[in-house]
Amino acid sequence: ELKVEQNPLFLSMQEGKNYTIYCNYSTTSDRLYWYRQDPGKSLESLFVLLSNGAVKQEGRLMASLDTKARLSTLHITAAVHDLSATYFCAVEVHSGYALNFGKGTSLLVTP
Amino acid sequence: DVKVTQSSRYLVKRTGEKVFLECVQDMDHENMFWYRQDPGLGLRLIYFSYDVKMKEKGDIPEGYSVSREKKERFSLILESASTNQTSMYLCASTPGTGGPSTEAFFGQGTRLTVV
Repeated sequence: ELKVEQNPLFLSMQEGKNYTIYCNYSTTSDRLYWYRQDPGKSLESLFVLLSNGAVKQEGRLMASLDTKARLSTLHITAAVHDLSATYFCAVEVHSGYALNFGKGTSLLVTP
Repeated sequence: DVKVTQSSRYLVKRTGEKVFLECVQDMDHENMFWYRQDPGLGLRLIYFSYDVKMKEKGDIPEGYSVSREKKERFSLILESASTNQTSMYLCASTPGTGGPSTEAFFGQGTRLTVV
């Protein structure tokens, strides 16, 4: 059974600080996804990581994938309040199969 | 603009009622999924479908069934609603297998309360 573990599950950070969210998964996978969810809203796709060593950046967020370590990171640079949300990683074991989600990291950025 | 549309944002149903949650996608995607989301548990897969009239159980299918009569539509059915099925339900779709990416697109969610 594929397990996807995120940590931390809760994160409160000050504006301007840097932090990293970790996503570990238990079986081989070539594809990993990061999603953002605002309160009461659905999931919005942030990054699609399709190969070992993949790195993608959008604004203050950068995601990377190490398939050998079965680890993905979501790095936040100089956090701002607008980044407050819940972030999920999701792993796809086989192409086209359902995604397995972590439990999410609830991020709160404070002044 | 890709779109996955769920028929209701909010639903309140009584225990024992039969409940239908509808999902429609306009991207000609092969695969469709139903998840439920509960605090502290993340998203859990209920059922999914790779093709019309095909369905597969996910991690928590008990108390649910699905129907996919047309490619664009995937329905989740609660045969006899119970209070422990109070949750946020999310529908998603992805393209067929073998493509460069099978990024999932999600509907806006249906918050179901069973009283």
